[in-house]
Amino acid sequence: DVKVTQSSRYLVKRTGEKVFLECVQDMDHENMFWYRQDPGLGLRLIYFSYDVKMKEKGDIPEGYSVSREKKERFSLILESASTNQTSMYLCASSPQGLTVAYNEQFFGPGTRLTVL
Amino acid sequence: SQQGEEDPQALSIQEGENATMNCSYKTSINNLQWYRQNSGRGLVHLILIRSNEREKHSGRLRVTLDTSKKSSSLLITASRAADTASYFCARGAWAGTASKLTFGTGTRLQVTL
Repeated sequence: DVKVTQSSRYLVKRTGEKVFLECVQDMDHENMFWYRQDPGLGLRLIYFSYDVKMKEKGDIPEGYSVSREKKERFSLILESASTNQTSMYLCASSPQGLTVAYNEQFFGPGTRLTVL
Repeated sequence: SQQGEEDPQALSIQEGENATMNCSYKTSINNLQWYRQNSGRGLVHLILIRSNEREKHSGRLRVTLDTSKKSSSLLITASRAADTASYFCARGAWAGTASKLTFGTGTRLQVTL
């Protein structure tokens, strides 16, 4: 059974802290994604990666960075957390290389981050 | 900006009725996908329809795609209380060096007994 796991379901951090959100998939997928979900805005793509050590900016990369050192793990980093980064963060993965649009994405359960 | 917009934003029906949700988009697509999200959880893929397809079925789900109108619809027949969830369409298209999905804002479906 395919599985995407995220390190925390709920996380509370303070403004200015460095925050790491971890995502691990066990499906040997090449592609991994980070989204944030906010009421009325749907899901917005932050970053994605189609190979180890490769990354591409999504629609809202400002304030975030990512790391993909191993195929199964994709980390989202908030260098200096701010209150406007309070959100639900969803990680996803999908198989194959550049043809991501042809493949369904498998999602983790999400991390609800609150920045105080 | 959001490229997929669902309509209606919220829908409340009784068990056994059919539910129809619509999705519009602005630019060309390679495919369109529908996902379901139960409250506070991750998304689950429901169905994918390619740009050269017009209709697709999966169990109680029926998806149509009209590329001339840049719209898609998701029909859930004989709805059940367990269908209560948010439903999102996602446009799959090339974006620079790779292709990606762009999600809409979702339709919240409430199915009551």
